[in-house]
Amino acid sequence: AQKVTQAQTEISVVEKEDVTLDCVYETRDTTYYLFWYKQPPSGELVFLIRRNSFDEQNEISGRYSWNFQKSTSSFNFTITASQVVDSAVYFCALSEGNAGNMLTFGGGTRLMVKP
Amino acid sequence: NAGVTQTPKFRILKIGQSMTLQCTQDMNHNYMYWYRQDPGMGLKLIYYSVGAGITDKGEVPNGYNVSRSTTEDFPLRLELAAPSQTSVYFCASSYNEASLYEQYFGPGTRLTVT
Repeated sequence: AQKVTQAQTEISVVEKEDVTLDCVYETRDTTYYLFWYKQPPSGELVFLIRRNSFDEQNEISGRYSWNFQKSTSSFNFTITASQVVDSAVYFCALSEGNAGNMLTFGGGTRLMVKP
Repeated sequence: NAGVTQTPKFRILKIGQSMTLQCTQDMNHNYMYWYRQDPGMGLKLIYYSVGAGITDKGEVPNGYNVSRSTTEDFPLRLELAAPSQTSVYFCASSYNEASLYEQYFGPGTRLTVT
């Protein structure tokens, strides 16, 4: 069975600090997909990134970067030079290759960026 | 485009009552989903639909029903509401399979059953 663990329930940083949100997953499939979604205070989830299990290249998008390591079953998310607008709950999610419409979400990490 | 819209935003139900949560998308997406989010937890899939007339169970379907008569609408029905159904409900849609395409989420419906 698939499982996603986000051990950090809440993180508080001061603006301009770098912060890493951890995500550890479990799956028996060799084909799977990993996601990060952001849930700002307004409530609706916003897609950030999708990564398939065959692509271990790290990704950078502006101040956001993602580190995918199959050896440790982790897909961590780093925000560089955090801003108050980054305050949100961030969810990591996993979809196995043979269950294309079933995303398993982690419990989320609440990030608070203080000015 | 309005994206995914949900009504109502908030609702309080008494135990045993029924209600329908409405969800509409204007992006012509084939796939639609209903999730629930309990406090401090991730989202759990209730039902999904891959097109008009086709629905399938997710991880936590008990106590709910859905229908998909049009591409745009995907209502979620709660029969005989129970306190365990107190949650925030999110509707989402995607162009195709959720593992391959990003999902677009509505703003959620906060439901309390007392």
